[in-house]
Amino acid sequence: EAEVAQSPRYKITEKSQAVAFWCDPISGHATLYWYRQILGQGPELLVQFQDESVVDDSQLPKDRFSAERLKGVDSTLKIQPAELGDSAMYLCASSSRGGTGGAGELFFGEGSRLTVL
Amino acid sequence: AQKITQTQPGMFVQEKEAVTLDCTYDTSDPSYGLFWYKQPSSGEMIFLIYQGSYDQQNATEGRYSLNFQKARKSANLVISASQLGDSAMYFCAMRAASGTYKYIFGTGTRLKVLA
Repeated sequence: EAEVAQSPRYKITEKSQAVAFWCDPISGHATLYWYRQILGQGPELLVQFQDESVVDDSQLPKDRFSAERLKGVDSTLKIQPAELGDSAMYLCASSSRGGTGGAGELFFGEGSRLTVL
Repeated sequence: AQKITQTQPGMFVQEKEAVTLDCTYDTSDPSYGLFWYKQPSSGEMIFLIYQGSYDQQNATEGRYSLNFQKARKSANLVISASQLGDSAMYFCAMRAASGTYKYIFGTGTRLKVLA
């Protein structure tokens, strides 16, 4: 069964260091989302890609976060420098459709849990 | 702007009983989709059920049904015959059907099923 792959599963880093997360969506899924989920809260959308283009990054802290999806397939989310408040689960999800018709449900990876010390 | 509100931080239900998890939403889009996801303690997000804004009938998937009241902008999840394995966080979500197809989540409800 096709899955969304994410790595690393766990990352511990010190504040001011750089950290990167990788996501490989389900093959053929044009839409890719990065969410941040703080423990006990709902996922917060950081950035959304349609193919290789960013369509929404309004909630991405652009002074320290960056995201890319160069060939419209896999994606990388980077934080530099990391801060204590960045400790969270970073979830990647993909969807096959963005328009009306059908569910368009999200398929999630297992997430990358970041701890900043 | 889109918004999802889940006002129940936590809920308890007896095994085999039914439970309703509340969700209200706000959007100016005429077309949208509403979703429910389950997140067990293991962390993975599991899609449960979908309702399109133009669907005439409430969605059902096994023990899950979505009580969709468009005029009230509510999309409550009903779980019938609760099982111990239903204990988890439940998130209501909405996807716009135009523009950027933005996909947002509520703050979640933690459900605990009691034996």
